[in-house]
Amino acid sequence: SQQGEEDPQALSIQEGENATMNCSYKTSINNLQWYRQNSGRGLVHLILIRSNEREKHSGRLRVTLDTSKKSSSLLITASRAADTASYFCASVFGNEKLTFGTGTRLTIIP
Amino acid sequence: DADVTQTPRNRITKTGKRIMLECSQTKGHDRMYWYRQDPGLGLRLIYYSFDVKDINKGEISDGYSVSRQAQAKFSLSLESAIPNQTALYFCATSDSLAGETQYFGPGTRLLVL
Repeated sequence: SQQGEEDPQALSIQEGENATMNCSYKTSINNLQWYRQNSGRGLVHLILIRSNEREKHSGRLRVTLDTSKKSSSLLITASRAADTASYFCASVFGNEKLTFGTGTRLTIIP
Repeated sequence: DADVTQTPRNRITKTGKRIMLECSQTKGHDRMYWYRQDPGLGLRLIYYSFDVKDINKGEISDGYSVSRQAQAKFSLSLESAIPNQTALYFCATSDSLAGETQYFGPGTRLLVL
């Protein structure tokens, strides 16, 4: 399987705290994307970082990319109950197929 | 209205039956994808199509077939369903001219008895 790994598999934090999720992938990439999935529903795109970028911000999201380690991290600051979801990284190489990681299930405790 | 729709949303079938899952999109995207999701394994690509006449196998195509009847429609068939095809199935689209972001349908939950 070419799937990447995400760490941790599950994370529970108090509302207002920051949440950090990590992703490792296996091949060289054009870009890496993060998606959110609310329970049993379709995935929603959050942010994309290209292979020549090291950090990117979007609202309360911060993504970093280390191509030498084939890893990325997603930081959600000042978490809210609505952030409770599963988060997936997806790496893109070549003809733009996405290869998804196994996901991190995030629970925000009010 | 949703941009990417899937029918049915839930389906229960028996081993050996042929079933079809349908995906329609109003986004005008040229690329469409079918994924399955199993607990703990994330999403895995079954088939993808970059245009109406283009069909490509993904990571786990055995036991599945697809048809791209029009730019807006992409159907997934299970020729002879088996219990280990029980999963959540997602259709997705993307626009080759606008970047690599994919847009997902709401999913079809399939149970094969």
